[in-house]
Amino acid sequence: GQQLNQSPQSMFIQEGEDVSMNCTSSSIFNTWLWYKQDPGEGPVLLIALYKAGELTSNGRLTAQFGITRKDSFLNISASIPSDVGIYFCAGRTDSWGKLQFGAGTQVVVTP
Amino acid sequence: NAGVMQNPRHLVRRRGQEARLRCSPMKGHSHVYWYRQLPEEGLKFMVYLQKENIIDESGMPKERFSAEFPKEGPSILRIQQVVRGDSAAYFCASSPGNYEAFFGQGTRLTVV
Repeated sequence: GQQLNQSPQSMFIQEGEDVSMNCTSSSIFNTWLWYKQDPGEGPVLLIALYKAGELTSNGRLTAQFGITRKDSFLNISASIPSDVGIYFCAGRTDSWGKLQFGAGTQVVVTP
Repeated sequence: NAGVMQNPRHLVRRRGQEARLRCSPMKGHSHVYWYRQLPEEGLKFMVYLQKENIIDESGMPKERFSAEFPKEGPSILRIQQVVRGDSAAYFCASSPGNYEAFFGQGTRLTVV
């Protein structure tokens, strides 16, 4: 079956630092999505990527769709306390089917 | 424009009872996905439905679990004869049919 590996598993950073996380897949994806989940809440969509090589920003967040279509990364610049949470990557092999999720990256920001 | 609505937010059931989880997709969305999340884990796909059709149920346990998305009304995830191992957060996501999917706030099922 498909494997979607997300790393790192957790990150402890100081406020103001940049954060970087990535996901790799054993299969070719045609969509990459990045979500953030706060405790007790549902995942919230941060960035959607549709084309290989695509680089998309949303405020301090930047994500890229890898050229091989088997990987994606998410960067958070100048982290702030509200960036705390679990970040998930998700990918699809077709337009309509299920999203495969990574195991998540827990981000902890200290003042 | 209301988001994906799930209810109840919290559900407690005794072993052997039935659990019914409801999901109302965003307006205009005809694709619904159900996921299960155990504590400290990621989201595991269960089932993908379009109106009146089950498209992919490869993640659904073969027994006790069923899902529907009728022509009118919300999507329902039904768990019969619940066991302690069914305790989890169940999330619904909806999509208009393109690439993006938006999640509800989930139903936390506790089996006692």
